[in-house]
Amino acid sequence: EAGVTQFPSHSVIEKGQTVTLRCDPISGHDNLYWYRRVMGKEIKFLLHFVKESKQDESGMPNNRFLAERTGGTYSTLKVQPAELEDSGVYFCASSPVSSYNEQFFGPGTRLTVL
Amino acid sequence: AQSVTQLDSQVPVFEEAPVELRCNYSSSVSVYLFWYVQYPNQGLQLLLKYLSGSTLVESINGFEAEFNKSQTSFHLRKPSVHISDTAEYFCAVKPGGFKTIFGAGTRLFVKA
Repeated sequence: EAGVTQFPSHSVIEKGQTVTLRCDPISGHDNLYWYRRVMGKEIKFLLHFVKESKQDESGMPNNRFLAERTGGTYSTLKVQPAELEDSGVYFCASSPVSSYNEQFFGPGTRLTVL
Repeated sequence: AQSVTQLDSQVPVFEEAPVELRCNYSSSVSVYLFWYVQYPNQGLQLLLKYLSGSTLVESINGFEAEFNKSQTSFHLRKPSVHISDTAEYFCAVKPGGFKTIFGAGTRLFVKA
């Protein structure tokens, strides 16, 4: 069974540019989560989808971040315009309805904003 | 608010020595507890979890953690480490609902 995949693995952009990160959850997992780790600090929750609906987006830093989950499958996280403090590793995770306590994480996307 | 404190940012240890990675959490409600591991250039992997029942939980590669409710701790231990255990370890809690709260991570360096 394929795990959670994320694309790209690395992205280097300049301040003010736009970047879109993609996450493909494990097939059949209704729950999808985005997390971010900035500057070696703790990994912080950004938001949670159930299928295509946003259930909790309390961790989104500001309105420069937009997450979508088309058709309840893959998800994208767009940062527009990117700022220096957005640099970090963005993790995606998914879980099935039946065992939501265990979240399966992807390898992360390392974003560097110059 | 719930939080997780990993008391050591880095832990160097010689191969075959024992190791303990400390984790304390604060929560006013019952929690589920996890340890995740991130090997170099890889994603986060679940190492072990405590949901209920026995307070001592084990992983398949020799790690164990003990839930101590009175001390609000969930320390990770291994009696004899290998070079391949070099990684970053994250303690995490789920106080209910879907959000997982992570500690800042502990880098374990195993030296020959």
